[in-house]
Amino acid sequence: SQQGEEDPQALSIQEGENATMNCSYKTSINNLQWYRQNSGRGLVHLILIRSNEREKHSGRLRVTLDTSKKSSSLLITASRAADTASYFCATGLSGSARQLTFGSGTQLTVLP
Amino acid sequence: NAGVTQTPKFRVLKTGQSMTLLCAQDMNHEYMYWYRQDPGMGLRLIHYSVGEGTTAKGEVPDGYNVSRLKKQNFLLGLESAAPSQTSVYFCASSYQEALTEAFFGQGTRLTVV
Repeated sequence: SQQGEEDPQALSIQEGENATMNCSYKTSINNLQWYRQNSGRGLVHLILIRSNEREKHSGRLRVTLDTSKKSSSLLITASRAADTASYFCATGLSGSARQLTFGSGTQLTVLP
Repeated sequence: NAGVTQTPKFRVLKTGQSMTLLCAQDMNHEYMYWYRQDPGMGLRLIHYSVGEGTTAKGEVPDGYNVSRLKKQNFLLGLESAAPSQTSVYFCASSYQEALTEAFFGQGTRLTVV
């Protein structure tokens, strides 16, 4: 079963706009990670936020984590056509089941 | 630096045939994983390894076997391929199990006819 679920499943925006994707999960986590996958390629790690952190930035990326709501959001500011990709959240669980569990992803299309 | 390398990149099998997918990493990572990716399903963990000589089952292990004889290599075997195993397979490695970022290979697209 999937731990994380992204919302929306697909998002289409104009270049220069901001894109926001959300992830909800079910159980306690150690960390939450966001990955990007370009078409036909492997996943590339974007950012990791630990359970005791609330917000993290990396370049044009901003990630928030609300452990009380078991949710996270990924904001991409000033989007570019090159940001077109699928974005996945992955949860690193606490306890013995310490494996990354991925959601089904958000397909982002940035129109030029 | 190569990172995580998967071979082959594409393969077509007939039902009942066997094959082995090879994953190699040059980052000295202890942890390695095999995932499959199907449309609308995200990535599902097949098997993983927490070190040389160890393997463990993931979420969808049936029909697959794995071996980790050397730290840098993680092999995924299909003994008798079925059409349900048509998928894109990804290998990944990490320094710490689920606690740090994972590095992914480019994937193997397998079709079973």
